[in-house]
Amino acid sequence: AQTVTQSQPEMSVQEAETVTLSCTYDTSENNYYLFWYKQPPSRQMILVIRQEAYKQQNATENRFSVNFQKAAKSFSLKISDSQLGDTAMYFCAFMKPADAGNMLTFGGGTRLMVKP
Amino acid sequence: DVKVTQSSRYLVKRTGEKVFLECVQDMDHENMFWYRQDPGLGLRLIYFSYDVKMKEKGDIPEGYSVSREKKERFSLILESASTNQTSMYLCASSLFPRAHYGYTFGSGTRLTVV
Repeated sequence: AQTVTQSQPEMSVQEAETVTLSCTYDTSENNYYLFWYKQPPSRQMILVIRQEAYKQQNATENRFSVNFQKAAKSFSLKISDSQLGDTAMYFCAFMKPADAGNMLTFGGGTRLMVKP
Repeated sequence: DVKVTQSSRYLVKRTGEKVFLECVQDMDHENMFWYRQDPGLGLRLIYFSYDVKMKEKGDIPEGYSVSREKKERFSLILESASTNQTSMYLCASSLFPRAHYGYTFGSGTRLTVV
């Protein structure tokens, strides 16, 4: 079974600065997908960014980028120019595409507070 | 705008009650999921369904059952609610086989069992 670990339960950052959230995972699979989801106080989970394991290039979405280290099984999220609206819970998640139903396995989450 | 709708945002039930949590999606997605969210534990999969009347156990199915009679609706049932089932419950849906595009989530139901 896959496991996903987020070692930082809480983090804070000043507005406009850069912050990196850590995620490691354990799998014996070679092909899989990794995700970062954001859950603001409204509770609506929002997909932030996704990475396909067979792609070496790190995914980027505007101010959000990932550092994907396949050999180290590490998938960190970098948020540049942090904004107050980035305050949320962030969850790292793993998907093995061959699974029936394509289940997501989530980490424990990191609560990020952006301070003005 | 695509949507997953959970019928209740907050729910308070008594120990021993039978509880129904309803989830409806309007995206014609094949897959539907029920997760439970607890602090420090992230989201844990209770049950999922990849087709009408089909269901599979997730990681923590004990004390729960599900029903999917129509493609758009996936219900989570607590047969006899207990205080350790106090939690946030999240429903989600996805395409199959293109689930790697990501899930669409509902806004969650915060259930308190007293």
